[in-house]
Amino acid sequence: KQEVTQIPAALSVPEGENLVLNCSFTDSAIYNLQWFRQDPGKGLTSLLLIQSSQREQTSGRLNASLDKSSGRSTLYIAASQPGDSATYLCAALADRGSTLGRLYFGRGTQLTVWP
Amino acid sequence: DADVTQTPRNRITKTGKRIMLECSQTKGHDRMYWYRQDPGLGLRLIYYSFDVKDINKGEISDGYSVSRQAQAKFSLSLESAIPNQTALYFCATRGLPADTQYFGPGTRLTVL
Repeated sequence: KQEVTQIPAALSVPEGENLVLNCSFTDSAIYNLQWFRQDPGKGLTSLLLIQSSQREQTSGRLNASLDKSSGRSTLYIAASQPGDSATYLCAALADRGSTLGRLYFGRGTQLTVWP
Repeated sequence: DADVTQTPRNRITKTGKRIMLECSQTKGHDRMYWYRQDPGLGLRLIYYSFDVKDINKGEISDGYSVSRQAQAKFSLSLESAIPNQTALYFCATRGLPADTQYFGPGTRLTVL
């Protein structure tokens, strides 16, 4: 069964710092990996999606990388701002067998950026 | 307008009551999902559907049932609610572009 782990569980930094959030997965048979943002009590907003054949994706100050062979993805946030404060989740989409089409989530990294 | 909508957004009910949570989407996606989120446990899959005639159990389907009334509608029912079903429930779709998952705003359910 796919297991997705996110480290650290929580992170508190001053505004302006560059950040790296880590995501690891146990089964490399993934179709894609998606990063989400969740504000307290709210739904999940998709930030970046990396196909299994890709190495990275960028959107504004966000950059996500994927290394299938090592089972790792990282989300890089440049020049963090207080508005970036939220929980960030990664999710791996299974691409074969009985779990085809299922998305496996990590428990998230709770980020606080203070002014 | 939101692409994935859920009703109700909040619900308080009593043990033993039957509850239905509804989800509608305008993205035209065939694949739809129901998750629950609990503090410290993350998101867990309850049921998923790849088209109107295809329903699959997720990892925590006991105590729940679903109905896919149309491509755009996927409902989750709790036949006899119990307190440990208190959670935040999310509906999601998956499809173009690039098999992205899109989530609804969530339903906060409290079972007393």
